[in-house]
Amino acid sequence: AQRVTQPEKLLSVFKGAPVELKCNYSYSGSPELFWYVQYSRQRLQLLLRHISRESIKGFTADLNKGETSFHLKKPFAQEEDSAMYYCALKMSSGGSNYKLTFGKGTLLTVNP
Amino acid sequence: GAGVSQSPSNKVTEKGKDVELRCDPISGHTALYWYRQSLGQGLEFLIYFQGNSAPDKSGLPSDRFSAERTGGSVSTLTIQRTQQEDSAVYLCASSLRASGTFGFFGPGTRLTVL
Repeated sequence: AQRVTQPEKLLSVFKGAPVELKCNYSYSGSPELFWYVQYSRQRLQLLLRHISRESIKGFTADLNKGETSFHLKKPFAQEEDSAMYYCALKMSSGGSNYKLTFGKGTLLTVNP
Repeated sequence: GAGVSQSPSNKVTEKGKDVELRCDPISGHTALYWYRQSLGQGLEFLIYFQGNSAPDKSGLPSDRFSAERTGGSVSTLTIQRTQQEDSAVYLCASSLRASGTFGFFGPGTRLTVL
């Protein structure tokens, strides 16, 4: 089965501490993965995608095919990072169409 | 408008009633996606439109759920005979083509079934 697993529903860290939000996937093809974020009272938005190999707001994520993981990391958490984070896997929706399958999300709280 | 819009923002209904939720995609976007967001379940895919057709409706939870899209633009998600378990936030997203990826979702419609 093709799925995305985020093992932690809640994650709490202190400001300045490193943070890692875990994501594991199961997919038979070549995976394309994303992280989405939803801040309080804001829309769900794309944070980063693995193919871009970018760092957004200090966050990075590396695709590890051997471990089938795409963990999101930040060396020094900030209070404004508190949000719900979703890991997503791009899957075929038939033909040349695609859709995203999401994990259940991790609520990150960064304490002062 | 600049982004995806949805209406109403909130909907409270009684069990057994029908509801219609509307999504206005970004102008020119041919692909449109509906998702449901609920506590403990994360985001669940419901249906995907390419133009006015729905090549993937595999996520619709029951035959009480249906959706249509007209003019390659506005989409309506209809839930008939609502049940309490239908309570959730219904999200819409659009993309220029059927790439399956999008930058922003709409603001969502929070549905509460009493």
